[in-house]
Amino acid sequence: DTAVSQTPKYLVTQMGNDKSIKCEQNLGHDTMYWYKQDSKKFLKIMFSYNNKELIINETVPNRFSPKSPDKAHLNLHINSLELGDSAVYFCASSQVGTQETQYFGPGTRLLVL
Amino acid sequence: DQQVKQNSPSLSVQEGRISILNCDYTNSMFDYFLWYKKYPAEGPTFLISISSIKDKNEDGRFTVFLNKSAKHLSLHIVPSQPGDSAVYFCAASAGGGADGLTFGKGTHLIIQP
Repeated sequence: DTAVSQTPKYLVTQMGNDKSIKCEQNLGHDTMYWYKQDSKKFLKIMFSYNNKELIINETVPNRFSPKSPDKAHLNLHINSLELGDSAVYFCASSQVGTQETQYFGPGTRLLVL
Repeated sequence: DQQVKQNSPSLSVQEGRISILNCDYTNSMFDYFLWYKKYPAEGPTFLISISSIKDKNEDGRFTVFLNKSAKHLSLHIVPSQPGDSAVYFCAASAGGGADGLTFGKGTHLIIQP
């Protein structure tokens, strides 16, 4: 009974393709996030989303878009993939209030060729 | 512009001794600090956290200390065990965390037998 799950775990694709990564949490949390870990191992926030508000890191290209069909899911769509998009993408969730811990998924390793 | 810094990329400690991992931050708006542990090919796992209104939080072998005036926190692990070998990330959030966590670059802790 994984708390935060992501699919696929590995994704290899060609430049220019469009791809999606799925994330699901069964913790009953109201906020979900996407992070990117680049080749230098920095973990950086891309989006945070709850039913009311989407907060976007201003450095994220608009080729990236989160889609939430319901409170337990936040999928990441990436259009026109570029070589520099190769990274590990982590989904996380929390119950936003005062100082709530975020719980992370196992990551999706994306390689763009 | 790194707001959370972990200046030691790696740390080697003998089994049974104390491991001390350090973290510095620059943003005075941060009010919640967390430590995550990460094994290869897995997502970050929450370890311990501390609110800015406290200076110490303890959970079993793990203790986090916060020095607000110095904008410094540290994680103490005692005694260190082989299973503690992993990358440890320091993270911080401001105002409930809806904007996501800001991570340091991580410290690779190696516990030697």
